[in-house]
Amino acid sequence: QSALTQPPSASGSPGQSVTISCTGTSSDVGYYKYVSWYQQHPGKAPKVMIFEVSERPSGVPDRFSGSKSGNTASLTVSGLQAEDEADYYCSSYAGSNNWVFGGGTKLTVL
Amino acid sequence: EVQLVESGGDLVQPGGSLRLSCAASGFTFSSYWMHWVRQAPGKGLVWVSRINSDGSTTTYADSVKGRFTISRDNAKNTLYLQMNSLRAEDTAVYYCARGDSYAFVSWGQGTLVTVSS
Repeated sequence: QSALTQPPSASGSPGQSVTISCTGTSSDVGYYKYVSWYQQHPGKAPKVMIFEVSERPSGVPDRFSGSKSGNTASLTVSGLQAEDEADYYCSSYAGSNNWVFGGGTKLTVL
Repeated sequence: EVQLVESGGDLVQPGGSLRLSCAASGFTFSSYWMHWVRQAPGKGLVWVSRINSDGSTTTYADSVKGRFTISRDNAKNTLYLQMNSLRAEDTAVYYCARGDSYAFVSWGQGTLVTVSS
C-alpha cells in the first residue's frame, strides 16, 4: 500500500492550463480504471472532482479533466481561476478492497 | 442533500481507545459502501478502512489492521470506527466518506483525534 506519487507543487497564471501527474504501479493506477481526484481548500473537507479516470460529477466545471496513460494519471485544470487554488489529491483502487492516495499537490494560481 | 456528520474525536492517551461515529442522511445509507479516511496535521489523505453496504465485509490499511474496527448500523444510518491501542501517529482528522464507483463521492467535515500524553 505505497502512496501514489504526485509533485508537491504546481502553479499557473489565471486563464492558463496546468496538469498534475499521479504515478502509481501496474497494480493500481495501471491496472484499474478507478482513479479519482479530490480538491481540498484549507480547513475544508475534500471534494471529488474526477472519478473513473475521466468522469466529472455533476456540478464540477468542465475546466477539470482527467486522463491516464500506463501507470500515470493526470488532472488538467484549464482556464485557471483564483478559486482553483487548493490542494489536489489523486486516489486509486488497489485491488482486494484497498485504496491508496497520492501525497497531494498544492496548486498556486499566480 | 447528502450529509455526513462525524463525532467522537477527542484527546486520548497512547494505548487508549476511542469510538468515532458518522451520522448519514440524504441518501439510502444501506445501499452504499462507506469509508474512513484520515489526515494528519499538515499532511495528506490516507485511506483507513472500508465496509460494504450490509456490513458483512471490511478491509483496513496495514497501519491500523488489528487495532481499528469499522462497523455500521443501517437502522440508525450510522457508521462507526472503533480505535484501540492508539498511537501518536494516529493523530489526525478522521473523515467518513460515501463510496461510489470506487471513489469517495461525499465527505463529512471530519473529527479530530489527538493521541498524546
